[in-house]
Order: sequence, then C-alpha cells, then structure tokens
Amino acid sequence: RKEVEQDPGPFNVPEGATVAFNCTYSNSASQSFFWYRQDCRKEPKLLMSVYSSGNEDGRFTAQLNRASQYISLLIRDSKLSDSATYLCVVNIYGNYQLIWGAGTKLIIKP
Amino acid sequence: SQTIHQWPATLVQPVGSPLSLECTVEGTSNPNLYWYRQAAGRGLQLLFYSVGIGQISSEVPQNLSASRPQDRQFILSSKKLLLSDSGFYLCAWTYRGEAFFGQGTRLTVV
Repeated sequence: RKEVEQDPGPFNVPEGATVAFNCTYSNSASQSFFWYRQDCRKEPKLLMSVYSSGNEDGRFTAQLNRASQYISLLIRDSKLSDSATYLCVVNIYGNYQLIWGAGTKLIIKP
Repeated sequence: SQTIHQWPATLVQPVGSPLSLECTVEGTSNPNLYWYRQAAGRGLQLLFYSVGIGQISSEVPQNLSASRPQDRQFILSSKKLLLSDSGFYLCAWTYRGEAFFGQGTRLTVV
C-alpha cells in the first residue's frame, strides 16, 4: 500500500461546479498535511496547509480526518484557471521527508 | 524573504555525457534541501536530501549523485547520463514541513 494515495483522475468538471478530492495516508504518525497545486510543466506550489480544525481560503476548503486517515480538498465555484494537478503531501513527525501523493488531475471545462 | 534558484530551466544532453544541476537558496541558513525527479504524468520521486553541509541521504540508488559543498548550495550530478534519466528535476527546501521549489530543470537525454 502506498503511503499517500490519491485518485489520479482526471476529474472533468464544468465551470462553476463544486469538486472534492480525497487523499489517504497510511502512517498514523503523520503530523503535517498540505495541498499543493502543480500547473503543467511547472513546479508545485503550496495551495494550503491542512489543520486539524480544517481551514478555508476563499473557494478552497481543506479538512483533516485523523480517525480515517485522510485529508480532503473542496473547490467551490470552480474556475477555468483551477485546472491543474493537485498534490497531497504528508510530513511524518521527526522525519525530514515529505511524502507526496502522485496527484489528482483536475480539468475545468467551460 | 527566502528564494530558491535552480538552473538551467531546460537541458538536452546526449547519452553518456555528464550532468551538473545546481540549486542555491537565499534568505535562510541550514535549510533541509531536496532533489526530486518527476517523470511525465507521474508524482514526485525523492532522489536525495541533505540536512547539512556534506550530509547526503540517497533514496534511490541509481546513476546520480548529490553534493552539498556549501550551506545553501545543492548539486545533482551524473558521470554518464542514461536515457532513463530524462525527466523534470526539482530542487526544494523545507521549513516547518512546507516545501518551496525551484523552477525545475527539464532534462531530455537523447
């Protein structure tokens, strides 16, 4: 089983719709969680951190479920510019490494 | 503010030729530094990480090596490139679990 798993997609979503991704992690010692966005042929960039209490940034909402060991990302009122690959990242306590999911590809269609 | 520089942005090299990719970080000291590779349509593969000068941990034994001659300098090298070394190489540093990436080097071995 992979340490961090994501549905690779692609998710084809009409503009204005709401879309949600999940990411599951296997190590219960995971401490920090992040969502990154990667545009085609570009480096990943931080979208948002995921806190235990959940967090919201405009149209984006991230949630953490420690009991079921997954994090989620919800995008409301999707825009064409939201088309990208969304990477889930987990940091395990005391470990220098970040564990990356393979990413979920999102395509927003007009 | 911290910035990370990586060069070159693109590189086409013949099989059997050497490789040297350089990454430097500004605005921080003693960063954790990472080299990743991303094959087309795939997730990030950790190649090397370093927690200090001269300290290199290799995650995937292969045709590549890394060095950290200075605190904020991280170099990825190969003596003889293989076709399978083609990919998108990313340098990163982390702070409190969050990763910051260089622009990446797209390497094509021909």
